Amino acid sequence: QSVLTQPPSASGTPGQRVTISCSGSSSNIGSDIVNWYQQLPGTAPRLLIYSNDQRPSGVPDRISGSKSGSSASLAISGLQSEDEAYYYCAAWDDGLVRDVFGTGTRVTVL
Amino acid sequence: DVQLVESGGGLVQPGGSLRLSCVASGFTFSRYDMHWVRQVTGEGLEWVSNIGTAGDTYYLGSLKGRFTISRENAKHSLYLQMNSLRVEDTAVYYCARKSCSRTSCVFDIWGQGTMVTVSS
Repeated sequence: QSVLTQPPSASGTPGQRVTISCSGSSSNIGSDIVNWYQQLPGTAPRLLIYSNDQRPSGVPDRISGSKSGSSASLAISGLQSEDEAYYYCAAWDDGLVRDVFGTGTRVTVL
Repeated sequence: DVQLVESGGGLVQPGGSLRLSCVASGFTFSRYDMHWVRQVTGEGLEWVSNIGTAGDTYYLGSLKGRFTISRENAKHSLYLQMNSLRVEDTAVYYCARKSCSRTSCVFDIWGQGTMVTVSS
């Protein structure tokens, strides 16, 4: 049902870098900005990255976002145990005329 | 503190109704578009509905006619009336504030969610 595709899982050891991809189309990521949300276990989502690569206050600079064409990526450097969570990309879809979310990626710190 | 607090979830039989509420605090509620987003246990996020500052409403296509979103600015409150509920409507329902700048919009504030279970 999700129109944005993410890998189901990603993992790394403490200190490593993890990258999560988000694949869309010309009607969503290709024509609009991408936001990323983090969802810790049992909690509500929280805004992590907005407007492709901007961090809200309180989000460390080891977390970064980028966009190219109809795809986007989220990178977490210096992986920490507190980064264990689900991560969702999101964008506006011009065809569906609504907000759409990615399938979600579970990040595990080994 | 800027906050959204949902209530009204619970167990309901198929075909039944529920009314969810979301009370806002810490910001000027009337100035923001407000949304409902749901999440089936173990699955991803799905946009459900939104209401603009002028009262304009939008719905996920499959829900149109069964769900009604409304707001009461004087009470800083958002509502979702859910009728003819189906098993597949079982999910955690979040209310979320959408903030827009010149170049982008984001869901920047989320409530803690309220669980709706549709089961016989």
